[in-house]
Amino acid sequence: AQSVTQLGSHVSVSEGALVLLRCNYSSSVPPYLFWYVQYPNQGLQLLLKYTSAATLVKGINGFEAEFKKSETSFHLTKPSAHMSDAAEYFCAVSEGDDKIIFGKGTRLHILP
Amino acid sequence: GAVVSQHPSWVICKSGTSVKIECRSLDFQATTMFWYRQFPKQSLMLMATSNEGSKATYEQGVEKDKFLINHASLTLSTLTVTSAHPEDSSFYICSSLLGEGRNEQFFGPGTRLTVL
Repeated sequence: AQSVTQLGSHVSVSEGALVLLRCNYSSSVPPYLFWYVQYPNQGLQLLLKYTSAATLVKGINGFEAEFKKSETSFHLTKPSAHMSDAAEYFCAVSEGDDKIIFGKGTRLHILP
Repeated sequence: GAVVSQHPSWVICKSGTSVKIECRSLDFQATTMFWYRQFPKQSLMLMATSNEGSKATYEQGVEKDKFLINHASLTLSTLTVTSAHPEDSSFYICSSLLGEGRNEQFFGPGTRLTVL
C-alpha cells in the first residue's frame, strides 16, 4: 500500500528565502505524486503533480518539485518565499486507482 | 479549472440530529466523487468513494450507516451524518474526479460541522 511521509509539521522561512518542504513516499508501483495547498477553512488547491513524465515538475505560484526515484522523494521548493505562501501544504500519492493518500501536512510560516 | 462547490459551508446542529452536506461539480460531470474528513490541524482522511448510480465504497473503519452517501446524478453527491454526536464535529471535504484514470481530483471548499 502507498504512503506518504512529510518531514516537519511546521517550517518557518524568512520572506525572500528558499522554501523547501520535504516529502517521501512509498509505493509498490510507479506512483502519481501531488502537492496541494490549503488555506485556513478552505479546500485544497492543486499546486503540481507528477505522472511519470518529466521528473522536474513546475506548478503554480512559482513552486516546483522533483521526483527522485532513488530517494523515493518528491520535495517541494520555491526560490523566494512570499508572505502569501503561508498555508498548509500536503503531499499525496496515488497508485493510479484514483484514490489519493495524503501526508500529514506541513504548515509553512513566512517570517517578515 | 473545474469548480466544485459544497453546501453548507458551515453548520451547527444539536446532538442526535442528522445533517446533509451537498457536493456539486459545477462545470463538469463526475461519475466518481470522494468524501474526506479532516480533524483540526490534521491531514485529510478518505471516508468513502461515491459512484454515480451505485453504492458508495467505504474505507475501513467508516460506519456506512452513520455516514450515508448518495450520488444520484453526475453532478451531485450528498453526505448525511446521521444521529450526529460531538465527536462527529469536523471539516468535511469532497472532491470530484475529472475523467477516468487521470487522477485529476478537484476539491470543494469544505463544510465545517459542529455538533453541540
